[in-house]
Amino acid sequence: AQSVTQPDIHITVSEGASLELRCNYSYGATPYLFWYVQSPGQGLQLLLKYFSGDTLVQGIKGFEAEFKRSQSSFNLRKPSVHWSDAAEYFCMIKAAGNKLTFGGGTRVLVKP
Amino acid sequence: GAVVSQHPSRVICKSGTSVKIECRSLDFQATTMFWYRQFPKKSLMLMATSNEGSKATYEQGVEKDKFLINHASLTLSTLTVTSAHPEDSSFYICSAREGFAGSPLHFGNGTRLTVT
Repeated sequence: AQSVTQPDIHITVSEGASLELRCNYSYGATPYLFWYVQSPGQGLQLLLKYFSGDTLVQGIKGFEAEFKRSQSSFNLRKPSVHWSDAAEYFCMIKAAGNKLTFGGGTRVLVKP
Repeated sequence: GAVVSQHPSRVICKSGTSVKIECRSLDFQATTMFWYRQFPKKSLMLMATSNEGSKATYEQGVEKDKFLINHASLTLSTLTVTSAHPEDSSFYICSAREGFAGSPLHFGNGTRLTVT
């Protein structure tokens, strides 16, 4: 069975600093990979996705993620965090049969 | 860890019938639950937000009378697809938040609905 691990439950970062959120997955092949953000009181918003091709994926709001097959990872990054980036971030994989598996989420707090 | 149970995982129904999907938080109280729908080749779309004991807040474009959401207790929210049509065939997933707004969000495993 597939699984997704986000090792960091909480991350606190200063505004303007860089951010990296880790995501590791377990699956027998390369799944489709997604990062979502959920802001307080709102539903999930897709930040970016990887299906194939260039392993560095650009998303909305200045986010990017890099797929590393050898490490089964799909880490999310942003060079300079804004206060509005405070939210909860979820890594998700879509495997065969359209099965979705979410990571446990990482809550990002932004210090002024 | 916190578990959200979604049932059934798969359901096939005939056009014109209604289908109920349950979302239960097994070991925590969920004051807020979210319902999503996945369209082919697209990401999850938020359908509605339900708060225990009050009416659900539906996203724009989601038919309230077709997708009935009930959040009658702190551990159960239901989504009923009324008078289902083939175009309602989709993957529906719920998530639940423990207690206060800053607490973690947990996802169910989803329900694959096929309307024939």
